[in-house]
Amino acid sequence: AQSVTQLDSQVPVFEEAPVELRCNYSSSVSVYLFWYVQYPNQGLQLLLKYLSGSTLVKGINGFEAEFNKSQTSFHLRKPSVHISDTAEYFCAVTPWGSTFIFGSGTRLSVKP
Amino acid sequence: DSGVTQTPKHLITATGQRVTLRCSPRSGDLSVYWYQQSLDQGLQFLIQYYNGEERAKGNILERFSAQQFPDLHSELNLSSLELGDSALYFCASSPKGSGGSIGNEQFFGPGTRLTVL
Repeated sequence: AQSVTQLDSQVPVFEEAPVELRCNYSSSVSVYLFWYVQYPNQGLQLLLKYLSGSTLVKGINGFEAEFNKSQTSFHLRKPSVHISDTAEYFCAVTPWGSTFIFGSGTRLSVKP
Repeated sequence: DSGVTQTPKHLITATGQRVTLRCSPRSGDLSVYWYQQSLDQGLQFLIQYYNGEERAKGNILERFSAQQFPDLHSELNLSSLELGDSALYFCASSPKGSGGSIGNEQFFGPGTRLTVL
């Protein structure tokens, strides 16, 4: 069975500092990987996705993620965060031909 | 704005009742997905429809059912409601031509907040 683990439930960080949100997955088959963001009182919005090719994926709002097959990880990074990045971030995997499995979410809190 | 609409935005009802949540996918999207988001369970996949047919089932209770109509809108029916059914229910849709396959981005609606008293 596939699973997704987001290692940090909450990440507080100061504005303009770098941030990394960690995601590990478990799967016996190839997967596609996604990061979604949920702003307060809104639905989920895609930040970026990895389907194939380059393991470094760039997304919207200055975020990027790196797929590491050997470590089964897909960590999300941003070199300098803004107050507006305060939100909940979800990592998701979908084994080819199957449905999305979401992690439990990481609440990023950016402080001035 | 993702292009996915959900109605109503909020719904307050009593235990034992039945409610229907409605979702209109993005124009041209054939797949619709339903999710439940609660504080203790996180974001749980419930069910997927593709062009009117059920394609995949997740952690959906027997008291819950869904359907997708010829115009591609979908409804999620929740019956014999319990306090624990209080949650945010999201609908998402996938691009046309996906063939119901995964790997395509899902576009999420704003959600329906269900409160069971």
